[in-house]
Amino acid sequence: QLQLQESGPGLVKPSETLSLTCTVSGGSISSSSFYWGWIRQPPGKGLEWIGSIYYSGSTYYNPSLKSRVTISVDTSKNQFSLKLSSVTAADTAVYYCTRRKYDTAMVNYWGQGTLVTVSS
Amino acid sequence: SSELTQDPAVSVALGQTVRITCQGDSLRTYYASWYQQKPGQAPVLVIYGKNNRPSGIPDRFSGSSSGNTASLTITGAQAEDEADYYCNSRDSSGNHVLFGGGTKLTVL
Repeated sequence: QLQLQESGPGLVKPSETLSLTCTVSGGSISSSSFYWGWIRQPPGKGLEWIGSIYYSGSTYYNPSLKSRVTISVDTSKNQFSLKLSSVTAADTAVYYCTRRKYDTAMVNYWGQGTLVTVSS
Repeated sequence: SSELTQDPAVSVALGQTVRITCQGDSLRTYYASWYQQKPGQAPVLVIYGKNNRPSGIPDRFSGSSSGNTASLTITGAQAEDEADYYCNSRDSSGNHVLFGGGTKLTVL
């Protein structure tokens, strides 16, 4: 059974860079059938797609976050990562790592989510 | 267009049928997927494609689409169906993912 697990600091200071890693187990991140990505949810609000990466390294980012987001993949560790720079309180959210079927928007696996709070 | 629009809240009597809708220009080209999210939990995929249910999703959940509107129908709503429901799809360019704002379903 595929499992995704987020890891990283739960508290980040304003203006700094948020960094999270997702470790994939039970399946290979090198599959050509899926994108790997990040979705976030501010407390009490809806879901927001951050971006996705293909195993080859091709990336797709939410235009509203593109200038601050970098998603990378490490196939040797079966992991992918998120970096979000210049964070503010508005970036406080539960961050989910996800697997999305290639050429669709269908997300069929989610991590449990990790709350990241931006505060000094 | 870069938006998917959902009604913020919908209610249904126990055992009755409810339809939750999602509107957006990209739905004329791409199918919507639907997710159920209960408090404190990650979303769960309930419908994808034309009208497909992942393993383990009850058959009271179904999906449909017409023009720029996708619908999730729950036939015979149960108390455990009370949750937030989100639609998503690709945007018109096909390169990005959109989410609707979510619909809070209350089962009375």
